[in-house]
Amino acid sequence: DTAVSQTPKYLVTQMGNDKSIKCEQNLGHDTMYWYKQDSKKFLKIMFSYNNKELIINETVPNRFSPKSPDKAHLNLHINSLELGDSAVYFCASSPRGEQYFGPGTRLTVT
Amino acid sequence: GIQVEQSPPDLILQEGANSTLRCNFSDSVNNLQWFHQNPWGQLINLFYIPSGTKQNGRLSATTVATERYSLLYISSSQTTDSGVYFCAVVQGGGGADGLTFGKGTHLIIQP
Repeated sequence: DTAVSQTPKYLVTQMGNDKSIKCEQNLGHDTMYWYKQDSKKFLKIMFSYNNKELIINETVPNRFSPKSPDKAHLNLHINSLELGDSAVYFCASSPRGEQYFGPGTRLTVT
Repeated sequence: GIQVEQSPPDLILQEGANSTLRCNFSDSVNNLQWFHQNPWGQLINLFYIPSGTKQNGRLSATTVATERYSLLYISSSQTTDSGVYFCAVVQGGGGADGLTFGKGTHLIIQP
């Protein structure tokens, strides 16, 4: 069974569109995260979400919004996509210790 | 925020060689993890090691929290060890804070 899964694996879209990436974990963890990996492979935290407490990295534009329908899911919604949003987005989950990562979603904005 | 520095940035070795990767961090940490990002982009958990020493097969890791560094040892390298190795930490205080990553060590193992 996949522990942390993301859909889609690849996403190609045009500037100005709105898109969502879904994340699900079946580990029973309380905390979930979204990370962005840029073209130079640098990984940076975007959001963490725990029991309805949202911690936002202040460098993340407000076009990005996490949505959690329940404890096992944390989706990432992006409005008005820009070229600079092209990256690999990773979801992760944690029982408040070790973090476990999903396979990533490669987003390409044209 | 906390700074994480990894060295060396790039490393090219022959199959069978041993290597040591270093991670320095600028403040106390609650969490330290080592990851391997393989050529397909997957982030694979290697060690969760905020302090002490752990071993898993040909890999081992040591974190000296009081001196703010961690080392990852790879012995008898294989071509499948190629990829980028990341060190990542959560600063003291923990909670739901995300990991701060280093820039990684890009390892190439040649046959």
